[in-house]
Amino acid sequence: SQQGEEDPQALSIQEGENATMNCSYKTSINNLQWYRQNSGRGLVHLILIRSNEREKHSGRLRVTLDTSKKSSSLLITASRAADTASYFCATDASRANSKLTFGKGITLSVRP
Amino acid sequence: ETGVTQSPTHLIKTRGQQVTLRCSSQSGHNTVSWYQQALGQGPQFIFQYYREEENGRGNFPPRFSGLQFPNYSSELNVNALELDDSALYLCASSLMWDEQFFGPGTRLTVL
Repeated sequence: SQQGEEDPQALSIQEGENATMNCSYKTSINNLQWYRQNSGRGLVHLILIRSNEREKHSGRLRVTLDTSKKSSSLLITASRAADTASYFCATDASRANSKLTFGKGITLSVRP
Repeated sequence: ETGVTQSPTHLIKTRGQQVTLRCSSQSGHNTVSWYQQALGQGPQFIFQYYREEENGRGNFPPRFSGLQFPNYSSELNVNALELDDSALYLCASSLMWDEQFFGPGTRLTVL
């Protein structure tokens, strides 16, 4: 079963605009991770945010986590055509291992 | 690049056959996880290996099995292949329960 649910399912924006993607989950977590996937290839790790953190930045990426609402958002600022990809949130809820539970993903299209 | 490699890149098998997929973990990582990603879906956890022992398993039947070797590389074996096993198989390595870094995947097609 897939705990994370991303919203929207698809997003189309113009180059230079900001893209905001949301993720909701159902159970308590240790951390939440965002990944990017280009055309069915391997996943690229973007950022990890732990349950005791509220916000993290990495370059043009900003991730927030609200554990009371069981939700996270990924903001990509000043988007580029190269940001076109599928984006997944994945939650790690186990104390015994690092099993990741993924959502179905968001398809982001950035128009030049 | 993450340093995680997988082989082969693509594979075509017929129903009932067996397949072995391979993964070399990133240097310094001691944990390997395997995921199955069907078309249009997010990856689903198959199992994880830590120090050569299975350390957690998802909702997959016993015909999915694995190994981890002393150099932390890993194999995924699938017996009695079914059409629904057609998917992208992803391997991820990590240092225990830290960020997981994924390989490029193996695309398996079962005819």
